[in-house]
This record gives sequence, C-alpha cells and structure tokens, in this order.
Amino acid sequence: NAGVTQTPKFRILKIGQSMTLQCTQDMNHNYMYWYRQDPGMGLKLIYYSVGAGITDKGEVPNGYNVSRSTTEDFPLRLELAAPSQTSVYFCASSPRSGRPADTQYFGPGTRLTVL
Amino acid sequence: QKEVEQDPGPLSVPEGAIVSLNCTYSNSAFQYFMWYRQYSRKGPELLMYTYSSGNKEDGRFTAQVDKSSKYISLFIRDSQPSDSATYLCAMSPQGAQKLVFGQGTRLTINP
Repeated sequence: NAGVTQTPKFRILKIGQSMTLQCTQDMNHNYMYWYRQDPGMGLKLIYYSVGAGITDKGEVPNGYNVSRSTTEDFPLRLELAAPSQTSVYFCASSPRSGRPADTQYFGPGTRLTVL
Repeated sequence: QKEVEQDPGPLSVPEGAIVSLNCTYSNSAFQYFMWYRQYSRKGPELLMYTYSSGNKEDGRFTAQVDKSSKYISLFIRDSQPSDSATYLCAMSPQGAQKLVFGQGTRLTINP
C-alpha cells in the first residue's frame, strides 16, 4: 500500500491564481481530511469527508473548496489565492470503526507559497 | 481559550535525558488521546494512543492521561538524537475522527 499520497510536493502561486491539491488513499478509508499547518500553530482542519459525496467544513474553510466523488480521492481547491494561504497542507485518512487503536494516516504534505 | 494547549518550545536536551512533553485541554468530552511525531518536512505519524485515563508504555515512551486535571503527558526515557522531531498531542471525543491538535513541541536531542 502507498498509503496517502499528495501532489504536488511544492508550488508557488501568484495572488489571485487558483489550483487544486490532489490527495489519494489506497486503504479504503471512509474518512478523509485536509489540514493546514502554519509554523508553531499545529494542525487546523479545513474540510473533511465521511464518505463519497459527503463533505463538511472544519475550523478554517474560507477560501477553499472540496469534493469527494470516490472513496480514494479528496482534492482541495484554492480559488483566488491569497498570501494568507501560504502554508503546508496535509491530507489524512482514517477508518470508520471508532476503535481506540484507529488513527489518522497523513500524507507527506504540499508546501504552498503565495506571492 | 484554545481547546488544547501545548507549549511550542523549542525544547533542547542532551542525549540520554528524560523528556516530558505536556498538553492541557478544556473539553471534558475528550476520551481518546494521541501523540503524533512529525519529522522535519514529513507528515505526522501516530506514536501512541490512550483511551480514557491511565498510563501506557511502549519501549522508551510512556503516555499518561489525567482526566481529572485535563492534562496529558508523554515521557521519553533515554532520549536519542533520532527522537528529535515535533511532537503533537491530539484528542477527540470519538476515536480517530475530528481530532483536535495541540500546537506541537519542537524537541532536539543533542549528542
């Protein structure tokens, strides 16, 4: 299993441009998440999905959109990029069983700079 | 007040020292407590988890949860340079879903 994969690894955007961050998991997990991580600020949840066709907002959804058409893929769309969206973006997935041993599995991250 | 508070450090200790990392929280509904380790320029990975109160040991690592004080700790014994990373606490009322993360503590173990 490749686990959670993210593309691209790095990207520089100009203010006002748009882009899609790709996330794919091959573990057949129901739940998928998008986080952003700013220096010294931990992980903040942007959007999450409990299954194909179902998405919901997290703590910091403004400026982002998501879709979940398949179990495997959960792309994050940035419209009209702003410098405040400069961050490292992590995608994660987890199973639905709710057992204590379950966890979120993270991808390697996408480093985005908006200039 | 943030739901989860964690001292961001940085924390620098000599090799072989005992390290104590801590988080406090305000939501009494939290039942699942986790510690993630994040190496530089990598995604977080689960280090330890604890359900409800008590201690859990795994090799050199011990996780403690004190729900009465709303306080959790991670102890690292005989610390190694390979333990240098950022450690994030995370907690949830319902398993792996809807985790709330602390800010992360950056730890450096000096040879």
